[in-house]
Amino acid sequence: DVKVTQSSRYLVKRTGEKVFLECVQDMDHENMFWYRQDPGLGLRLIYFSYDVKMKEKGDIPEGYSVSREKKERFSLILESASTNQTSMYLCASRSSTSGNTIYFGEGSWLTVV
Amino acid sequence: SQKIEQNSEALNIQEGKTATLTCNYTNYSPAYLQWYRQDPGRGPVFLLLIRENEKEKRKERLKVTFDTTLKQSLFHITASQPADSATYLCALLDSPRRYSNYQLIWGAGTKLIIKP
Repeated sequence: DVKVTQSSRYLVKRTGEKVFLECVQDMDHENMFWYRQDPGLGLRLIYFSYDVKMKEKGDIPEGYSVSREKKERFSLILESASTNQTSMYLCASRSSTSGNTIYFGEGSWLTVV
Repeated sequence: SQKIEQNSEALNIQEGKTATLTCNYTNYSPAYLQWYRQDPGRGPVFLLLIRENEKEKRKERLKVTFDTTLKQSLFHITASQPADSATYLCALLDSPRRYSNYQLIWGAGTKLIIKP
């Protein structure tokens, strides 16, 4: 089974702090994604990466950056956390060559106070 | 504008009945549409995919239909059980593709509650 692991389930950070959310997948998938999920808004794509060191902005990249130094790991960085970044963050991965299924991690609940 | 809509109100169904959830879209031409299940505090889990040239797809007690004329997909759970209670998300792949490595567009989900 594909496993996508997010390093932190619950975080509380102060406004202005730098925040790192880590994600690791074990299926050698080329594509990895970071979404945020807020009530009533559905999943919104922040950034995605289609290969190592490659990244593209999603629908809401402002205030975020990402890093993909290794194929299995995709990190989301909040350079200076703000209260409007309080949300559930979901990492996901997908093979670019076989199947259309996206596999999600368990999610990271971030509260910025 | 482009939209994908799911009923935002929770759907309450008696155990044993068929639950039907709706996903409507406007101004997209989906290559395919997917349904996912999401339990509270967890990530979504893939259930079914239906392509633009398919009318219906089944998997055990699940059935998905896709009507590109009505711009609608219906998701059915027959003989529903309390364990089916969850939020169900639909997502579509738009064509032409917006990004170099195509992305899904997501609905906000419908919460399904199966009462014993």
